[in-house]
Amino acid sequence: EVQLVESGGGLVQPGRSMKLSCAASGFTFSNYGMAWVRQAPKKGLEWVAYISYDGGSTYYRDPVKGRFTISRDNAKSTLYLQMDSLRSEDTATYYCTILTTGGWFAYWGQGTLVTVSS
Amino acid sequence: DVQMTQSPSNLAASPGESVSINCKASKSISKYLAWYQQKPGKANKLLIYSGSTLQSGTPSRFSGSGSGTDFTLTIRNLEPEDFGLYYCQQHNEYPPTFGAGTKLELK
Repeated sequence: EVQLVESGGGLVQPGRSMKLSCAASGFTFSNYGMAWVRQAPKKGLEWVAYISYDGGSTYYRDPVKGRFTISRDNAKSTLYLQMDSLRSEDTATYYCTILTTGGWFAYWGQGTLVTVSS
Repeated sequence: DVQMTQSPSNLAASPGESVSINCKASKSISKYLAWYQQKPGKANKLLIYSGSTLQSGTPSRFSGSGSGTDFTLTIRNLEPEDFGLYYCQQHNEYPPTFGAGTKLELK
């Protein structure tokens, strides 16, 4: 059974940093591209970042470019999202997902809430 | 970015009924649309991709149709576990974009 378990969320002040992790199991992690998708409170879903199966390619949505870094450790079957210079508009639940080559999100974790507030 | 517009925003129905949720893209996305279900305390679930292909495990009472800019998710013979939020997502081009969601509530 595919499992994606996010951790690392919490309350952080504007301008500070936070690193999210996603522990994957139940599939061959190193074979799949992965992505982070976020959802602001009472809002819709928004793709944030993508990393290829080997970490060789990464893509970001424009508002987070230069502030967020997606990475992975295939030996540990773990996905990361380093978030720097956080803003109030980054407040959201962040979901770890498997992004297929076809472009749909095949599996999701239950999410970790990040609240950016002073 | 491709804008996705879902309708209705809210929908009330009873078990056993059939419902349809619509999704409109701001430009043609061919057949490349996915549907997801979101329920509190559970991981989001992929239901359908490429417009009409059921993800493994999706009950046959779910169906997807459409191409170009207009798509529909139909749920026949509603079961109690079907109530929740539904999102569409275009997977034709980067960046992937989602609709704002449709809340399916018990009447």
